[in-house]
Amino acid sequence: SQTIHQWPATLVQPVGSPLSLECTVEGTSNPNLYWYRQAAGRGLQLLFYSVGIGQISSEVPQNLSASRPQDRQFILSSKKLLLSDSGFYLCAWTPEGTGAMGEQFFGPGTRLTVL
Amino acid sequence: SQQGEEDPQALSIQEGENATMNCSYKTSINNLQWYRQNSGRGLVHLILIRSNEREKHSGRLRVTLDTSKKSSSLLITASRAADTASYFCATDRGSTLGRLYFGRGTQLTVWP
Repeated sequence: SQTIHQWPATLVQPVGSPLSLECTVEGTSNPNLYWYRQAAGRGLQLLFYSVGIGQISSEVPQNLSASRPQDRQFILSSKKLLLSDSGFYLCAWTPEGTGAMGEQFFGPGTRLTVL
Repeated sequence: SQQGEEDPQALSIQEGENATMNCSYKTSINNLQWYRQNSGRGLVHLILIRSNEREKHSGRLRVTLDTSKKSSSLLITASRAADTASYFCATDRGSTLGRLYFGRGTQLTVWP
């Protein structure tokens, strides 16, 4: 069976510090991968998605970047965090080739607080 | 920007009652999905309805889709305290790349 992991679960960082959040998927190959951010009391905003190693598409201009160094690993990074980067970060995956026709499977999320 | 807009933003009911949540969207779609989120947790998929479907059932869930009005509704029958969660609709905006665009959600509270 497939599982998705995110770490860390919670993170408190000062403004201006770097960020690295990791997401890994087990039990599948070449999944589509997604990063979302959820501000307090809000819906999810799609940040990045990837259909393969090294292939990253950005949905919104921002202070963040994403990378996919391995097939089942998706990294969300920032060189200098802003207060507005605080939120709940969720990683999700879909099986290769399912595109718009299938459900997304979400990880447990990382709660980021920037002080 | 948000794609879906759920209403109401918050809904409070007693156990045993039915809960109805609505979602409106603005673009063409291939499908519409509903997800549930318990506080501080990841999202769990509930049901997917394709653009050529009008109604779909799964257990105590009933979803309708009206593409002419660009709206959908999620009905939870005989609600339970364990149904307390936030419910989100999401659409693909017609894309086949698997990107989803979520609404702000409805916070459902079911009182025992």
